[in-house]
Amino acid sequence: GAVVSQHPSWVICKSGTSVKIECRSLDFQATTMFWYRQFPKQSLMLMATSNEGSKATYEQGVEKDKFLINHASLTLSTLTVTSAHPEDSSFYICSASLTEQTLYGYTFGSGTRLTVV
Amino acid sequence: DAKTTQPNSMESNEEEPVHLPCNHSTISGTDYIHWYRQLPSQGPEYVIHGLTSNVNNRMASLAIAEDRKSSTLILHRATLRDAAVYYCILSSVPAEVQKLVFGQGTRLTINP
Repeated sequence: GAVVSQHPSWVICKSGTSVKIECRSLDFQATTMFWYRQFPKQSLMLMATSNEGSKATYEQGVEKDKFLINHASLTLSTLTVTSAHPEDSSFYICSASLTEQTLYGYTFGSGTRLTVV
Repeated sequence: DAKTTQPNSMESNEEEPVHLPCNHSTISGTDYIHWYRQLPSQGPEYVIHGLTSNVNNRMASLAIAEDRKSSTLILHRATLRDAAVYYCILSSVPAEVQKLVFGQGTRLTINP
């Protein structure tokens, strides 16, 4: 089945630095990828939709200049948290799908736990 | 996005069936009912989906009410590994890939 690889699985960074999270579709080409954020004991919150070769579409309230998304190829999307602060500490999850796959399930990465100290 | 309502938590015993309900009274004719689950510290995984008819796969069964305003995910014989948060999500048949919007889900606890 379709596999999405997310890296790193966890990262600790200092306040003010930037962190890049990668999301790769291993055995299929993902025309669209989604980025979610999840705080402890809460549900997943959609941050943005990433389409290959075009600008990402951000959900209301998500700062596009802080959470930079690049989807330069059909198998790779990256999320960069710029100038990270402790309140950005969260579990970040990506998801990918082909149009044809939509009815058969979206595939999620295993998540990246970001801790900003 | 059409909204779903699920109980916050449920508890069951190992090797017993589990019925997880979901209400979606504002569902539209083109909305599919999807179920995903999230194990601790992992990304969600697809469980099952359906439109009108009941569906079965190796993981679970999905029973859809005749008026489609509710559905039930059935785990026929729960194991400890089924302890997770289960999300019921509606998504319409897309011309393009559509985003999945997660509600609060049901936290399922399985007792040994």
